[in-house]
Amino acid sequence: AQTVTQSQPEMSVQEAETVTLSCTYDTSENNYYLFWYKQPPSRQMILVIRQEAYKQQNATENRFSVNFQKAAKSFSLKISDSQLGDTAMYFCAFMKQGAGGTSYGKLTFGQGTILTVHP
Amino acid sequence: DAGVTQSPTHLIKTRGQQVTLRCSPKSGHDTVSWYQQALGQGPQFIFQYYEEEERQRGNFPDRFSGHQFPNYSSELNVNALLLGDSALYLCASSLFRDRVRTQPQHFGDGTRLSIL
Repeated sequence: AQTVTQSQPEMSVQEAETVTLSCTYDTSENNYYLFWYKQPPSRQMILVIRQEAYKQQNATENRFSVNFQKAAKSFSLKISDSQLGDTAMYFCAFMKQGAGGTSYGKLTFGQGTILTVHP
Repeated sequence: DAGVTQSPTHLIKTRGQQVTLRCSPKSGHDTVSWYQQALGQGPQFIFQYYEEEERQRGNFPDRFSGHQFPNYSSELNVNALLLGDSALYLCASSLFRDRVRTQPQHFGDGTRLSIL
């Protein structure tokens, strides 16, 4: 079974600054995907960024980037130029790649990190 | 283009009752997954439906059951409700043929279930 651990229950950052959220995971799988999801108070889970484990290059999406360390099983999220709208709960999630897509869709989430961006 | 819709938004039940939650996937999607999210926690996978069959299941008791209809919409049923079933129930949809490209799942706003 896979586990995902987010060791920072809460983080805060000033507007326009940079913040990094940590995530570690444990798996015996070699092929898998990692995600960061954002859940604002509106409750809807929104995909922020994703990383395929077979890719060495770290994923980036505008102000969001990851530091993927496969050997260390670490997957941190860096948010640059933080904005007030980034205030939300952030979840790290894991999905293994099964044969024929049999495990597709089963996300394993961490406990979440509450991020507050202050003006 | 309608996204994932869930109903009802909120629900209050008492212990021992039964509840049915509903989910309509994003237009064009054919796969539905259900998650339970306790307050302050990450979501936990309950099960996934594709082609009207349960394809995967998480570590949840048989009190949790589901159904998928020909129009791809889905229901989550929980019998003999316990206080611990109080949570936000999230539905996520995707297109099965996109699984190899790992297209992101689309989540609904959830149903907040409170057990008294």
